[in-house]
Amino acid sequence: DAKTTQPNSMESNEEEPVHLPCNHSTISGTDYIHWYRQLPSQGPEYVIHGLTSNVNNRMASLAIAEDRKSSTLILHRATLRDAAVYYCILRAEYGNKLVFGAGTILRVKS
Amino acid sequence: NAGVTQTPKFQVLKTGQSMTLQCAQDMNHNSMYWYRQDPGMGLRLIYYSASEGTTDKGEVPNGYNVSRLNKREFSLRLESAAPSQTSVYFCASSEAPRGARNSPLHFGNGTRLTVT
Repeated sequence: DAKTTQPNSMESNEEEPVHLPCNHSTISGTDYIHWYRQLPSQGPEYVIHGLTSNVNNRMASLAIAEDRKSSTLILHRATLRDAAVYYCILRAEYGNKLVFGAGTILRVKS
Repeated sequence: NAGVTQTPKFQVLKTGQSMTLQCAQDMNHNSMYWYRQDPGMGLRLIYYSASEGTTDKGEVPNGYNVSRLNKREFSLRLESAAPSQTSVYFCASSEAPRGARNSPLHFGNGTRLTVT
């Protein structure tokens, strides 16, 4: 399975945009990029996913580099409720399992 | 809509005891998964089932067995619990049939298991 690399932690101020980076230099041409987040004492929650083009939904935006070796999850206005661990994951080509890394702990300051 | 339901929420076992963690989803999803999460770590895949009647090993299958009872239910069994199996266990499901890559996973809220 191709691996991803994320910073251990990041900090943001409330109501400011947050850019969470992810490197995936060994991504294959058919791997989708998925993002999940996990709030304290809860199961992970799907955020967004994409293949080549940038994607937007009600929760966030996903910006994918042209060479697909990196991507950035963008939270447009961070709130205290966005404090969580964010996981960037590549979905393997065969089978359909997801392999989670350690993720990025996002802290939001009021 | 309940989504993914896990029972029990909490469990304490003694070393050597057995138990089954239950998981059910009401979204008519094809694929189901069991993950474990240890303190300060990401999730590790134990087993998954791409469709009813099939199961496959994940990263850390030793000490566990699974049963895909029907399309809705996927259970995880610990035959002889060990302290190293103290963890939070998450069940998940996704719509994707085998080989599809773009269906998100939906997770339950976990079972917190302590083995003494």
